[in-house]
Order: sequence, then structure tokens, then C-alpha cells
Amino acid sequence: EPEVTQTPSHQVTQMGQEVILRCVPISNHLYFYWYRQILGQKVEFLVSFYNNEISEKSEIFDDQFSVERPDGSNFTLKIRSTKLEDSAMYFCASSHPRRDEQFFGPGTRLTVL
Amino acid sequence: GDSVTQMEGPVTLSEEAFLTINCTYTATGYPSLFWYVQYPGEGLQLLLKATKADDKGSNKGFEATYRKETTSFHLEKGSVQVSDSAVYFCALVNSGGYQKVTFGTGTKLQVIP
Repeated sequence: EPEVTQTPSHQVTQMGQEVILRCVPISNHLYFYWYRQILGQKVEFLVSFYNNEISEKSEIFDDQFSVERPDGSNFTLKIRSTKLEDSAMYFCASSHPRRDEQFFGPGTRLTVL
Repeated sequence: GDSVTQMEGPVTLSEEAFLTINCTYTATGYPSLFWYVQYPGEGLQLLLKATKADDKGSNKGFEATYRKETTSFHLEKGSVQVSDSAVYFCALVNSGGYQKVTFGTGTKLQVIP
């Protein structure tokens, strides 16, 4: 069964450094999403992406964040200058245009020191 | 805005006990409702869904019925197993827009032998 994959599974970085989290959505999906889950808290929406542009973003998704679909398969989330409070699990998801369920990847645990 | 409220956890049950996890929602429009499960150390998996009032979603012995009159989508299972130990998230996707998932806070279930 097709699935969403994410790399790396765990990323450790120093405060102020840039990180790029990578995702490969399911191949026939057209909508892509990033969510984050701070330890012990709820899963929060960050951004949705369709047709090579952001379609919706939350207030969390400030100028430090950006997303990109650099080729036909990858979908990336970049954090330009990481802060301690960016430490979280980041989930990528994708969905088919005619169905409303989203399929989530296994997540990347980001630790900012 | 849209919101999902779940019962506080953790919930501890003995094997073969009956499970109910309460979930209520607030949304404009006609949302689709979901339960996601997160096993220890893993990502989010779709457990079941319902797309309109009175629909019943079911999977792996779990069931939930979309009740528009009470804006609820309670998760039930007749006989839990140790392998059901996980965090369960109630969620909705509102009709229209770009389908961001709004999650509840999650309910941790621990099943003891």
C-alpha cells in the first residue's frame, strides 16, 4: 500500500541553524500538508500546499518557515533559523483531490539545542 | 473557528473491557469526522472516518457514529486488547477550503493484561 515517507526520522540542530525536513507524498496525491506536535500536545496545522503554492497557513507558519516542492516527488519544510520552541515532531501529509482523508508520514522529530 | 474536544486521558482499562472515548466538535458547514491512532513511537494512522450525519465508521473492531444533533463522534470498542494501547485523536476536516485537519488533544489509552 502506498505511504507517505519522511526523512530524517530524527534531526538534532543548534539554535539559529537552518533545517530542511523532507517528505515524499503518495504519488497520485495533489494536496500536501505539514503539521507539528510539540511533545505531549495536540497536533497543529502549519501549512497546506496545492498547485505549487501555499493555499492556507496558520499563525505558527511565520517568515521563518517555507515550503517547496522542488521536483515531482519531494515536499520540503525549511526552518531558516531554528528556535528552542521549534522542537517538535513534524508530520507531512498528503491527500487525493477527490477524497478528504489525509495520509500522514511517520514524522521527523526535531530537537533544537 | 473549528474545534474538537476530547475526553481527558489517560484511560486505563483491563483487557476485554469496553471502551468509550468521547469526542464533540464545533464546525461551520458539514465536516467529515475522523479518528486517528498513534502507537508508541509511530506516526498518525487513520483508524476510521464518517462523512455525513448518521454514518458509522468502523475498523479493527472500533466504531464511531456521526451524530449531528449532539455534534459528537464517540469512539467505541467492545473488547480492547493490549495491542490497542495508543493515543487516539478525534479530528475533523471541514467542507470546502483546502482540507486542513483540526485535531483534538488526544486521549491516551493503556490496556493492561
